[in-house]
Amino acid sequence: EAAVTQSPRNKVTVTGGNVTLSCRQTNSHNYMYWYRQDTGHGLRLIHYSYGAGNLQIGDVPDGYKATRTTQEDFFLLLELASPSQTSLYFCASSDFRDWVEQYFGPGTRLTVL
Amino acid sequence: GDSVTQTEGLVTLTEGLPVMLNCTYQTAYSTFLFWYVQHLNEAPKLLLKSSTDNKRTEHQGFHATLHKSSSSFHLQKSSAQLSDSALYYCALTGGNYKPTFGKGTSLVVHP
Repeated sequence: EAAVTQSPRNKVTVTGGNVTLSCRQTNSHNYMYWYRQDTGHGLRLIHYSYGAGNLQIGDVPDGYKATRTTQEDFFLLLELASPSQTSLYFCASSDFRDWVEQYFGPGTRLTVL
Repeated sequence: GDSVTQTEGLVTLTEGLPVMLNCTYQTAYSTFLFWYVQHLNEAPKLLLKSSTDNKRTEHQGFHATLHKSSSSFHLQKSSAQLSDSALYYCALTGGNYKPTFGKGTSLVVHP
């Protein structure tokens, strides 16, 4: 079964602060994704990647950067955090041979004060 | 672009009654449809998936049939259980293997 881990699990920062959320998957999946989840909006795709060094823009990319350093590791960067970025963030991985079924990590709850 | 529309908001049911959560979609690409379930304080996980037109897919008492003619993939269950209370997402895989999710339907089953 796919294993996706995220760190930290909880993070509190202040407006204007820098935050890096980390994600690692250990199943050699090609694709990795970052989502945010907010009540009334569901899951919204921020960025995704087809492999190391690749980055694709999602549906809500403003204020976020991402980097895929290896096949296993995908990072989400908030360089000037704002209260509107307070949310629950999920990382996911998938393989195109599996119809891109999403395997989700446990989530990171971010609060920007 | 691709889009997914679900029964919005909250659905409240009495235990034992049938469940039906609606999902319709739009895509110009190959059709891969999914239902994910998310229980409280957990991550979403796959419930059902299909790419075959008019074929019923079943798992854990839930079933759905992909109808490409009406662009629908409704989730059904004959008898709701308390443990079915959760957030349900319909999703599709579109062009460039990009996933698109609906906004989610919160199902609450009460005794």
